[in-house]
Amino acid sequence: DAKTTQPPSMDCAEGRAANLPCNHSTISGNEYVYWYRQIHSQGPQYIIHGLKNNETNEMASLIITEDRKSSTLILPHATLRDTAVYYCIVRGYGNKLVFGAGTILRVKS
Amino acid sequence: DTEVTQTPKHLVMGMTNKKSLKCEQHMGHRAMYWYKQKAKKPPELMFVYSYEKLSINESVPSRFSPECPNSSLLNLHLHALQPEDSALYLCASSPLDLGLNTGELFFGEGSRLTVL
Repeated sequence: DAKTTQPPSMDCAEGRAANLPCNHSTISGNEYVYWYRQIHSQGPQYIIHGLKNNETNEMASLIITEDRKSSTLILPHATLRDTAVYYCIVRGYGNKLVFGAGTILRVKS
Repeated sequence: DTEVTQTPKHLVMGMTNKKSLKCEQHMGHRAMYWYKQKAKKPPELMFVYSYEKLSINESVPSRFSPECPNSSLLNLHLHALQPEDSALYLCASSPLDLGLNTGELFFGEGSRLTVL
């Protein structure tokens, strides 16, 4: 599975959009981009995933560049409860989900 | 029911003890996982079961022994552990299609293990 690169940490003001970038320049055609988050002392939580089209659900939006070498997770109105470690994962066919270092997002009031 | 339940939440054991971690899900998922997470590190995959058969073992030492007695249950048997095995052990499950491709993983809250 392709590796990902994320900034180690980011800050965001409460109520503003949080935009979390992820680089995955070695992604191959059949690999999906997944986002999970882990709030302190809890298990990871699935957020969203996509292949090449932009995706939106009740939690977030996922924007994937046309060349698929990078993506951005958008939390439209961040709250204090969104403070967590966010993991961008590229995953191919099969059942192996491998976590990278992730981005610590701190939402501040 | 969209929960993955792990017991116990906390476990303290000596290096000569034998203990087990348990995981249960009732979502009909046919893939189940064990991950290990050290403090301030990402989760590391240990084992994957597909249709109750071990499909992935990430070169985990034999002192960790997984077991999947049925499609709803996953155990991790622990024996002769070392202090460096102290960590949060996470269980997860996911749907699995006939092509062995899986959907999103649902994680439990984890079992925090301390080895003295």
